[in-house]
Amino acid sequence: DAMVIQNPRYQVTQFGKPVTLSCSQTLNHNVMYWYQQKSSQAPKLLFHYYDKDFNNEADTPDNFQSRRPNTSFCFLDIRSPGLGDAAMYLCATSRERQGVSYEQYFGPGTRLTVT
Amino acid sequence: AQSVAQPEDQVNVAEGNPLTVKCTYSVSGNPYLFWYVQYPNRGLQFLLKYITGDNLVKGSYGFEAEFNKSQTSFHLKKPSALVSDSALYFCAVRDEYGGATNKLIFGTGTLLAVQP
Repeated sequence: DAMVIQNPRYQVTQFGKPVTLSCSQTLNHNVMYWYQQKSSQAPKLLFHYYDKDFNNEADTPDNFQSRRPNTSFCFLDIRSPGLGDAAMYLCATSRERQGVSYEQYFGPGTRLTVT
Repeated sequence: AQSVAQPEDQVNVAEGNPLTVKCTYSVSGNPYLFWYVQYPNRGLQFLLKYITGDNLVKGSYGFEAEFNKSQTSFHLKKPSALVSDSALYFCAVRDEYGGATNKLIFGTGTLLAVQP
C-alpha cells in the first residue's frame, strides 16, 4: 500500500546532541511537509518542500533544518535539541498543482524525547 | 486574518447517538476545508474535504460535514457514534496566501469522547 513512513517512531536524544528524523513516501507526491506537534495541540508547520524548492516558515528556529535528497525521502535535522523541542514530529505529503487542492497524507509521527 | 475555530475542546456523546464537532472559519475568498482525525500517538488521517459543489460532503468511517457559507461553518457529523470514534479531530482550511502550495491552517482540535 502507498504510504508515508517515518523512522524511528520513538527517538530519545540528549540535550544538545544532533538528531535526524526520517520520512519516506511511496505516493510519489511532489510536496513534503514537516510539522511539530506538542501535547494534543494543532500541528505547527516548520517547513515544506515543493518539489526541490525549500520553503521555511518565518517562525521556524534556525535549529531546525531539512533535506530532501530525492522525491521519496525527506529528513528533519535538529542541530542542538533543547528540552523545548520534545514533541511529536509529523511528516506529510501532498500532490499539488496550482489552483487545485489535494489533501495531505500524514505519517505516523516520531515522538522525540530530549533528556 | 485567516483562521479556523473549534469552539469545543471536548465533546462527549453516548454510543449510538448522533455527534457533531463544530468548526467555523474565516477567509476572504472561497474556502477549501478539511477534517482530520488523530488517534493517540498516531499521525493525522484525512476524513473529508470541501472544495466546491454539494454542501454536504461524505467522508470516511461514516462521517459527513456540512458546508454553510452564510454561517462560515463546516461542522463534522455522524448519525451514530461508535466508541472507536473517540479521538482528536482537527478542522483545517487552506491558506489563501500559501502560493502554489496548499498549506493548511488548523483549528485547535476537539477531543471526542464516546461513552459505551
